[in-house]
Amino acid sequence: SAVISQKPSRDICQRGTSLTIQCQVDSQVTMMFWYRQQPGQSLTLIATANQGSEATYESGFVIDKFPISRPNLTFSTLTVSNMSPEDSSIYLCSVVTGSYEQYFGPGTRLTVT
Amino acid sequence: TQLLEQSPQFLSIQEGENLTVYCNSSSVFSSLQWYRQEPGEGPVLLVTVVTGGEVKKLKRLTFQFGDARKDSSLHITAAQTGDTGLYLCAGAEGSNYKLTFGKGTLLTVNP
Repeated sequence: SAVISQKPSRDICQRGTSLTIQCQVDSQVTMMFWYRQQPGQSLTLIATANQGSEATYESGFVIDKFPISRPNLTFSTLTVSNMSPEDSSIYLCSVVTGSYEQYFGPGTRLTVT
Repeated sequence: TQLLEQSPQFLSIQEGENLTVYCNSSSVFSSLQWYRQEPGEGPVLLVTVVTGGEVKKLKRLTFQFGDARKDSSLHITAAQTGDTGLYLCAGAEGSNYKLTFGKGTLLTVNP
């Protein structure tokens, strides 16, 4: 398994501003992902954070809205840009450590007012 | 994108009862994972199944992967109040590890 931390754990932001979420893992991992969980919903994959190259985004998500950095094998950031109330969600990072096993961080609960 | 149908969506039972949660798809998965999520926390991995027909047991929890790797079930025996939570199944396509999640089953075990 892996120990994953996220900062901040929660935040309340104003419409039009941006928030950067950090994800730190206690060991080097190859695969790292960012997911969104809207209120009362399941998880939806936003993008794959690639180390040393641009992230790979899923349909419906774009780099201008959700820029992602992955400077090394233990750290990644997700920025939620120009926020609107529809961006209010829990944002989760996950890592793959072993064959097929994926572990999640505790999440960042974002409220946009 | 593969879709996962999870049922039931809500389940409220008494302590000591048994229950089964189902996860179905028309597509084949290379692996399927079950998670439990409590309010305010991230999903916690319970089990990963990768072989068709595979059965795994985790104390009172029994997980089964269908022979065709299109469906899975989670059976809980003698449920306890501590089993309360959101149970999520998630399937991976090929070897890219990207997970598609079901909508989840919100389980409430009453004392």
